[in-house]
Amino acid sequence: AQKITQTQPGMFVQEKEAVTLDCTYDTSDQSYGLFWYKQPSSGEMIFLIYQGSYDEQNATEGRYSLNFQKARKSANLVISASQLGDSAMYFCASRGAGSYQLTFGKGTKLSVIP
Amino acid sequence: DTGVSQDPRHKITKRGQNVTFRCDPISEHNRLYWYRQTLGQGPEFLTYFQNEAQLEKSRLLSDRFSAERPKGSFSTLEIQRTEQGDSAMYLCASSSSSGTSGRGSYNEQFFGPGTRLTVL
Repeated sequence: AQKITQTQPGMFVQEKEAVTLDCTYDTSDQSYGLFWYKQPSSGEMIFLIYQGSYDEQNATEGRYSLNFQKARKSANLVISASQLGDSAMYFCASRGAGSYQLTFGKGTKLSVIP
Repeated sequence: DTGVSQDPRHKITKRGQNVTFRCDPISEHNRLYWYRQTLGQGPEFLTYFQNEAQLEKSRLLSDRFSAERPKGSFSTLEIQRTEQGDSAMYLCASSSSSGTSGRGSYNEQFFGPGTRLTVL
């Protein structure tokens, strides 16, 4: 079974600053995947970044990077140079071995201040 | 490039009525998923299809819920005898099993805009 914990219900960040959104996970699987999705007010879930449990390097996708600390079971999302359009809900999710379902956390609402 | 589409976008119904939602996945994707998202929560997995076969079902999927994907393309999710607790956003997602091309190379799931159900 997978469990995702996002402890920050809401975060504020100044435009052009960097922000870190926290995510911890719990799994008994040796092989698993970690995902971050963005959900704007329109409702659609947008894939941002993926980290595999065996990936030795932290994943990066443009302004998004994933700070993966396997021993701590954390997979924090770092957004650099925040933009007003980054204001949205952000969900961390995991997928275990042998399963295709995603388990999501409760999300963090990010607000970017001009 | 057409994404995942869902119809209708909004549905208001009275308790006890049956409702059906449709999902059209990305055309080359053979995997299709249904999730339910209630206010203030992340999406919760309901069921998963690979082609036309329903391979995983959550315990959340009670007997009143049924999903089909008859020809391995679009899928329908039906809720019978709706209850007020069924009010939620129903999200559909699709993914590719190949995972070799740029888009979908992590087998990530691509989500549709959702169907918001309100049961009065």
